[in-house]
Amino acid sequence: GAGVSQSPSNKVTEKGKDVELRCDPISGHTALYWYRQSLGQGLEFLIYFQGNSAPDKSGLPSDRFSAERTGGSVSTLTIQRTQQEDSAVYLCASGGVLQETQYFGPGTRLLVL
Amino acid sequence: QKEVEQDPGPLSVPEGAIVSLNCTYSNSAFQYFMWYRQYSRKGPELLMYTYSSGNKEDGRFTAQVDKSSKYISLFIRDSQPSDSATYLCASGGNNRKLIWGLGTSLAVNP
Repeated sequence: GAGVSQSPSNKVTEKGKDVELRCDPISGHTALYWYRQSLGQGLEFLIYFQGNSAPDKSGLPSDRFSAERTGGSVSTLTIQRTQQEDSAVYLCASGGVLQETQYFGPGTRLLVL
Repeated sequence: QKEVEQDPGPLSVPEGAIVSLNCTYSNSAFQYFMWYRQYSRKGPELLMYTYSSGNKEDGRFTAQVDKSSKYISLFIRDSQPSDSATYLCASGGNNRKLIWGLGTSLAVNP
């Protein structure tokens, strides 16, 4: 079946612009996670959704970052007034019955000039 | 101290070698342990999942968890060039949040 998809695959933007990153989880998965991965760094947790609620937003680095999930499916991560340090790969994962296991999308590579 | 520690390597081995990848963790509440493989410019993919202590084998891969020493291992037998990737360990408890190691970069040379 279809895996987790993310769009766009690559995004180049200018400092100060807003960007929206989209994640389509595996159908039926109720858990959804956003991570950030910088070059040579591990996975940095950003936010976790269970259904449409976000019980854990502890990883969002600043109030410029927000995320929402609608219909228990698609999620959007929005970064306002982007900064160069926001450049990274943003990964989305979804979780099924065994919600400990997470299935990742290919990521969105964001470059802020 | 990070909750999950992993030596980033890089690790370079000849084809056919046995590879041992390791992580340590500090939180006694962690109950499940995973290994993910990440190829360059791809998302991580689940390789092995283990609940509590013990061994789990899948083909050339064996995952081992020793909760008494808080040590997690992944063994790869008869390593292949296609195994060249970054291997990430992850651990978690009841809150559905995984704590990740930094990943170990592995190169298997033909």
